[in-house]
Amino acid sequence: QQQVKQSPQSLIVQKGGISIINCAYENTAFDYFPWYQQFPGKGPALLIAIRPDVSEKKEGRFTISFNKSAKQFSLHIMDSQPGDSATYFCAADSGAGSYQLTFGKGTKLSVIP
Amino acid sequence: GAGVSQSPRYKVAKRGQDVALRCDPISGHVSLFWYQQALGQGPEFLTYFQNEAQLDKSGLPSDRFFAERPEGSVSTLKIQRTQQEDSAVYLCASSSGIGETQYFGPGTRLLVL
Repeated sequence: QQQVKQSPQSLIVQKGGISIINCAYENTAFDYFPWYQQFPGKGPALLIAIRPDVSEKKEGRFTISFNKSAKQFSLHIMDSQPGDSATYFCAADSGAGSYQLTFGKGTKLSVIP
Repeated sequence: GAGVSQSPRYKVAKRGQDVALRCDPISGHVSLFWYQQALGQGPEFLTYFQNEAQLDKSGLPSDRFFAERPEGSVSTLKIQRTQQEDSAVYLCASSSGIGETQYFGPGTRLLVL
């Protein structure tokens, strides 16, 4: 059972454009939603994270929008740059037990000049 | 060290061989996680340590997988009698405490022939 569904699988955006990646979750116990960025041959690195008590969080060019009632959250990358080309993973944890992260399947973003 | 380190970075094993993968977490981090990342997929949780105690091993796929962290710092993931389906990247992550940000290492890419 896939608890975090991520779309699209791949995304091509022109430099300067907006990249949007969506995730949906099923487990209402999830209460922490991070986004990780992964470059080839590297481990995932935390980009930005949100808790369900806020509907939006912005850090620089990166914004998370969160819709608790719909159980959906999304990552927006403004003014996308070629250096943003990477695989992005949404994740969630339940804030209990081992605090393990449940990841989506990833979105491969390519930003073309 | 500055980050989580893992060794070896690459491992080729013949089917049936035993392998041992090492993780050096960030100094002082009490929580340590192992994840398995299949090609083109998101990481999947394997096991979790709080100091030297293995508190959650619910993600280990079979009894051929064994993890330890005897002194609460370095951890080793051992896979006995490797199978082709064990081929994946094995990621280690550490955090300073329960519910804190998980920092990932670069992973060990295991190929079982």
